[in-house]
Amino acid sequence: SAVISQKPSRDICQRGTSLTIQCQVDSQVTMMFWYRQQPGQSLTLIATANQGSEATYESGFVIDKFPISRPNLTFSTLTVSNMSPEDSSIYLCSVAGRRYGYTFGSGTRLTVV
Amino acid sequence: GIQVEQSPPDLILQEGANSTLRCNFSDSVNNLQWFHQNPWGQLINLFYIPSGTKQNGRLSATTVATERYSLLYISSSQTTDSGVYFCAVGEGQGGKLIFGQGTELSVKP
Repeated sequence: SAVISQKPSRDICQRGTSLTIQCQVDSQVTMMFWYRQQPGQSLTLIATANQGSEATYESGFVIDKFPISRPNLTFSTLTVSNMSPEDSSIYLCSVAGRRYGYTFGSGTRLTVV
Repeated sequence: GIQVEQSPPDLILQEGANSTLRCNFSDSVNNLQWFHQNPWGQLINLFYIPSGTKQNGRLSATTVATERYSLLYISSSQTTDSGVYFCAVGEGQGGKLIFGQGTELSVKP
């Protein structure tokens, strides 16, 4: 299965600032997925990132708040913009594999103060 | 959309005990996975099991797709098994995963 390198692993940010999270995959993939996990909750899909086209956002998530970059088939970034304490969550990227299902990055634990 | 329900929500075990976690889903799926999230937040893929039975050491899983449920068995539990276990399903190849609410397992020494 694919290996995903995600960074940063954690960060503490001031409200009103932005943080960009990076995911690098060791193989080319068509789609990458970004999830959010709020404290004590399950994972919720933010958006699907396709190379060469605009990301597709799930209900409740907007591009201005969570802009996504997908410059090539092995890399994607998610930016959390104009952060507030409610954005404190774990953010994870994921890719789909044919034989072993989905693989997830190690996650970014974000705290907004 | 597809609904995913996991039970029980919480489980406390003594080390060495066995347990069964259940995942019910509301519609046909092409993908079903079990994940373990450790205390550091890392999500570990345990099984990719849209149907049938698989075993990996002390863990095994069975999915009965026609009846829309999956079971995760943990035998001879260890303290390192503690964490949250998620079931996630997908409708199509390469489409999004929908997660259940998880089962939080605590194994006491």
